[in-house]
Amino acid sequence: KAGVTQTPRYLIKTRGQQVTLSCSPISGHRSVSWYQQTPGQGLQFLFEYFSETQRNKGNFPGRFSGRQFSNSRSEMNVSTLELGDSALYLCASSLPSSAGTDTQYFGPGTRLTVL
Amino acid sequence: AQKITQTQPGMFVQEKEAVTLDCTYDTSDPSYGLFWYKQPSSGEMIFLIYQGSYDQQNATEGRYSLNFQKARKSANLVISASQLGDSAMYFCAMRARPNSGGSNYKLTFGKGTLLTVNP
Repeated sequence: KAGVTQTPRYLIKTRGQQVTLSCSPISGHRSVSWYQQTPGQGLQFLFEYFSETQRNKGNFPGRFSGRQFSNSRSEMNVSTLELGDSALYLCASSLPSSAGTDTQYFGPGTRLTVL
Repeated sequence: AQKITQTQPGMFVQEKEAVTLDCTYDTSDPSYGLFWYKQPSSGEMIFLIYQGSYDQQNATEGRYSLNFQKARKSANLVISASQLGDSAMYFCAMRARPNSGGSNYKLTFGKGTLLTVNP
């Protein structure tokens, strides 16, 4: 079974631009979560989507948004990029289970550099 | 707030020896899951092992085992017979509902431990 895929793998943007990252979950997985990883803040939860609905959100400004399509693929968008948005953006998918304590499987990440 | 604490920023181990990576957690949710992930320098987060809060036995997956001490809120990862390829960042994570209430589970990560395996 193919793993989680993320595109693009690397991205360079300038301040003020916007960017869209894409994530395709493992086949059969319906939940997709996004995380930002930086050396200073570590891994921080951005949001989680299930059945095209955002069901959980982290503490990020409104410049960060996402969506999920009917085939469970997800995109996240960052508008008006700032230097501090430079990070590794990780996407993870899960079934999920009824208990909520399902295992998330991660993609290889998109490394975003903002100049 | 939910919290994961990994007190060891870095650890060194000799090849073929065992190593324990520490993790403590804090949550008021009685139903939670504990996870360990490995992140090599390539960046991908690799799932290693899972322990449910109601599991009676410690989880094991090949050379990985989780030393789960519920009363102490501790979930240490034990890697037996270390290999050079085990050199990576290791993250402990917990999926639980917020202490403030609500039904949506969230995965919270610790700061990680950088493991170096020496030949």
